[in-house]
Amino acid sequence: AQKVTQAQTEISVVEKEDVTLDCVYETRDTTYYLFWYKQPPSGELVFLIRRNSFDEQNEISGRYSWNFQKSTSSFNFTITASQVVDSAVYFCALSESLTGANNLFFGTGTRLTVIP
Amino acid sequence: DGGITQSPKYLFRKEGQNVTLSCEQNLNHDAMYWYRQDPGQGLRLIYYSQIVNDFQKGDIAEGYSVSREKKESFPLTVTSAQKNPTAFYLCASSIGAGPVNTEAFFGQGTRLTVV
Repeated sequence: AQKVTQAQTEISVVEKEDVTLDCVYETRDTTYYLFWYKQPPSGELVFLIRRNSFDEQNEISGRYSWNFQKSTSSFNFTITASQVVDSAVYFCALSESLTGANNLFFGTGTRLTVIP
Repeated sequence: DGGITQSPKYLFRKEGQNVTLSCEQNLNHDAMYWYRQDPGQGLRLIYYSQIVNDFQKGDIAEGYSVSREKKESFPLTVTSAQKNPTAFYLCASSIGAGPVNTEAFFGQGTRLTVV
């Protein structure tokens, strides 16, 4: 069965520190997709990144970077030089290809607080 | 602007009443979803629809009903059979039917409180 684990419930960092949000997933599919979403206080989820299971290249987008490692079933998210605007709840999600469950499975989220 | 609109933003319901949450999208997406968010539990899928006039139960469909009569609309009814309806409800859509291999777009949510 599919599962997404975000073990860090809450993290607090001081502005300009780097922070890594962990995501570990379980799936029996060989083709799957991983996502990160940001939920600011306004409530809507904002898409950050998508990765398919055949692309293990790490990705960097500005201060954001993602480390996908199939060997450890992890898809971790790092924010470099954190800012107060990064304060939000971050969700990791998984979509499988072959099970017919055509939806996203979410982790429980990590609440990040960046202290000025 | 293209996007997903949920209304109302806040909703209060008396016990025993049914209530319908609205979700409209103008993105021309085939697939639409309803999620429920409770503190510490992440998002859980209630129902999803991959095409007009078709929808499937998610993990926690009991006490809820949906319809998909139009591509752009996917209303969710919280019935009196839902024992613990107080939660934050999020609607989402994605481009195509089938596995979610592209990003989903989310509305701003409806916070339902039973009084």
